[in-house]
Amino acid sequence: QKEVEQNSGPLSVPEGAIASLNCTYSDRGSQSFFWYRQYSGKSPELIMSIYSNGDKEDGRFTAQLNKASQYVSLLIRDSQPSDSATYLCAADYMEYGNKLVFGAGTILRVKS
Amino acid sequence: DAGVTQSPTHLIKTRGQQVTLRCSPKSGHDTVSWYQQALGQGPQFIFQYYEEEERQRGNFPDRFSGHQFPNYSSELNVNALLLGDSALYLCASSHSRMGNFNQPQHFGDGTRLSIL
Repeated sequence: QKEVEQNSGPLSVPEGAIASLNCTYSDRGSQSFFWYRQYSGKSPELIMSIYSNGDKEDGRFTAQLNKASQYVSLLIRDSQPSDSATYLCAADYMEYGNKLVFGAGTILRVKS
Repeated sequence: DAGVTQSPTHLIKTRGQQVTLRCSPKSGHDTVSWYQQALGQGPQFIFQYYEEEERQRGNFPDRFSGHQFPNYSSELNVNALLLGDSALYLCASSHSRMGNFNQPQHFGDGTRLSIL
């Protein structure tokens, strides 16, 4: 089982729709979770951090965490073509000294 | 407010050579982490520096070493370069951990290293 798993996609949504990106992690001790956006040829850009169960909203983005199911998601409302990018999920791993482990990313394409 | 800066942006080396990559953290950050990102994959953790010491290390050989200076800037050194070392090398800075929680890491633009 991979430490942090994401569907590689591509996930295609029409402009204005809600994009739902999902991530699972294998370490029950993980405490810190992050979503990054990475445009092709660029470095990752922090979108959201979440530490407790439930939802956290920031503008058009909502992060959701369910520690019992070891599941993190990112919702993007009113998706725009400029949201087209790779979205990386990351979780810290207690057994590895709290290092941050990244998933391989999900490619999102928003079609106008 | 300057973000994380890395140099150089691109580098071409041949097998067996050595390379040094540099990173200046975001203002106010004291922790620097280094990652290797191959095409189509997520960043892989190399190591993290805090208070001029290596605090954590990923699954990378001893050919990969680093240093953190008193001003929190950092270097990544790779010896005896292999073709497989070709990748984007990312530096990320953050505040030190607060209890059990990792602080958000902010990435620089990276150094693209090509090994011929």
